[in-house]
Amino acid sequence: AQSVTQLDSHVSVSEGTPVLLRCNYSSSYSPSLFWYVQHPNKGLQLLLKYTSAATLVKGINGFEAEFKKSETSFHLTKPSAHMSDAAEYFCVVRSDSSYKLIFGSGTRLLVRP
Amino acid sequence: EPEVTQTPSHQVTQMGQEVILRCVPISNHLYFYWYRQILGQKVEFLVSFYNNEISEKSEIFDDQFSVERPDGSNFTLKIRSTKLEDSAMYFCASSIKKENYGYTFGSGTRLTVV
Repeated sequence: AQSVTQLDSHVSVSEGTPVLLRCNYSSSYSPSLFWYVQHPNKGLQLLLKYTSAATLVKGINGFEAEFKKSETSFHLTKPSAHMSDAAEYFCVVRSDSSYKLIFGSGTRLLVRP
Repeated sequence: EPEVTQTPSHQVTQMGQEVILRCVPISNHLYFYWYRQILGQKVEFLVSFYNNEISEKSEIFDDQFSVERPDGSNFTLKIRSTKLEDSAMYFCASSIKKENYGYTFGSGTRLTVV
């Protein structure tokens, strides 16, 4: 069965330092991949998506992700963390056989002053 | 920016009671979805809805669940006889067309069954 694995349940960084949130996926075909963010008491907001165009995808708020087929990875990065980036981040793959989304277990990002 | 609105934000209900979760999708969207997240677990797909019928549902979505678009603007999820294990955050989402991968999610309804 298809799956998404987020390798870290929690990541803590200092403000101004780089962010790396790791994600590996399984998919039989060329996957559609997404990162969503959830701030406390807010909905799931789309950060970026990969749908077989450029392998380096730029999203909102300075985030980007690189699709690496050989590693089946889609890690999320940001050069410099901001306090407002503290949230839960979900890596998501679209099902090969339908249009439903399959979520990873989430990574909680903590940004220290 | 258009939003998907869910009400209520929190609901507490007694086991065995019926509950209706409400969602107002973005007005020009045609596809509608419900997902849920049990505390500490992954977000899971429940059901998708298009053209006034269910287009796909998961094994979780059994006879106790139903969805409806009663008036062309609201999209509801009904649980007929709630169980303790139905306690979760329920997210509604909508999209313009199936090929639009960027679904817009609501902020969720936290359902607690006691």
